[in-house]
Amino acid sequence: DADVTQTPRNRITKTGKRIMLECSQTKGHDRMYWYRQDPGLGLQLIYYSFDVKDINKGEISDGYSVSRQAQAKFSLSLESAIPNQTALYFCATSDLTGTVKNIQYFGAGTRLSVL
Amino acid sequence: AQKVTQAQTEISVVEKEDVTLDCVYETRDTTYYLFWYKQPPSGELVFLIRRNSFDEQNEISGRYSWNFQKSTSSFNFTITASQVVDSAVYFCALSDGEDSGGSNYKLTFGKGTLLTVNP
Repeated sequence: DADVTQTPRNRITKTGKRIMLECSQTKGHDRMYWYRQDPGLGLQLIYYSFDVKDINKGEISDGYSVSRQAQAKFSLSLESAIPNQTALYFCATSDLTGTVKNIQYFGAGTRLSVL
Repeated sequence: AQKVTQAQTEISVVEKEDVTLDCVYETRDTTYYLFWYKQPPSGELVFLIRRNSFDEQNEISGRYSWNFQKSTSSFNFTITASQVVDSAVYFCALSDGEDSGGSNYKLTFGKGTLLTVNP
């Protein structure tokens, strides 16, 4: 099983619909992140969380919200989806200690299409 | 502000050729980390390497090698004897470090280089 699991892997929705993307991890990391990837633009940070009570906006948080339900779970919501939110979304985790300190490990991605 | 530039948008080589992917970064931090990730056609992001700004030693892992030069703010990635399975988008990324007083959380990504290895 993957250490960082994203569901669903693919989703098609309509403009104005509310949608939730889910992320769970078994790595035991405190830090979790949501990114979006648009063709030719690399990855941009949407939200990040250092622990269950600490949630912060990234560089492109408008139109998105998140919920950290537990150390292992971090969900991203689009309250009212619009076509320019069509993208590939990634969840990532990282730890602050040990040999893997500061390395972000990514899920397989969720491909979202907003029609 | 931090910035990562991958000037090569696309590279195409023939199998067994050596290929170097360039990465130039900008940061005001004294300590920072550099990374390379691979994104194969299946879409996932695979971590390849992390380099601390204090460690300028080059690294080799099988057919992969990395050349870190602080003097030119570059962290280049070379694949020796490329194979079709190396075809992917490769991302270089930068984050601040613990001693810089920065946030030590955000990865700044380059826009990626699409490498195509033809048989």
